[in-house]
Amino acid sequence: SQELEQSPQSLIVQEGKNLTINCTSSKTLYGLYWYKQKYGEGLIFLMMLQKGGEEKSHEKITAKLDEKKQQSSLHITASQPSHAGIYLCGADGNNYGQNFVFGPGTRLSVLP
Amino acid sequence: DAGITQSPRYKITETGRQVTLMCHQTWSHSYMFWYRQDLGHGLRLIYYSAAADITDKGEVPDGYVVSRSKTENFPLTLESATRSQTSVYFCASSDRLRNTGELFFGEGSRLTVL
Repeated sequence: SQELEQSPQSLIVQEGKNLTINCTSSKTLYGLYWYKQKYGEGLIFLMMLQKGGEEKSHEKITAKLDEKKQQSSLHITASQPSHAGIYLCGADGNNYGQNFVFGPGTRLSVLP
Repeated sequence: DAGITQSPRYKITETGRQVTLMCHQTWSHSYMFWYRQDLGHGLRLIYYSAAADITDKGEVPDGYVVSRSKTENFPLTLESATRSQTSVYFCASSDRLRNTGELFFGEGSRLTVL
């Protein structure tokens, strides 16, 4: 089965600082998805990466997928308290997207 | 309102009782999923469904039963609840026809088994 690891497990940063969260897969990724979860709420889709070397940005969040399609990073520039939450990477286990699995999550706190 | 809704949001039950968590989506998405979220384990897939009357096991299906008689509903039943099933349960749906990969999540159902 697909296994996803994330690092770090948790992160505390000062407002305005940049940060990076990593996601590593045990298998080649057909699609890599980043989600954010606010405490006590459901997950919100951030972005999806499918091609090796692909990079996408949304506001101050940039995600990249490496050429081998086994590693992804999520970078937040000039962090704000609104960025706080749990970030999870997710992946299709196969092309049909039925066996959708998630990494354990990275808990981000942003201090004002 | 359109979207994906779960009920109940909070439930306390006793060991051995049957509990059903409801999930309803208004988008006619073909795929629906049930996850449980626990500290130290992240989100784990319990069951998923590709269409009405088609369901399949995920990573942790033991102790759970699902059905999908209608596209919009995907109830999750704990036939005889155990303390280890205390968790937050999330339902999600996806329209794989668009191949966007985006899962839409409900707000979660927090279940406590005493």
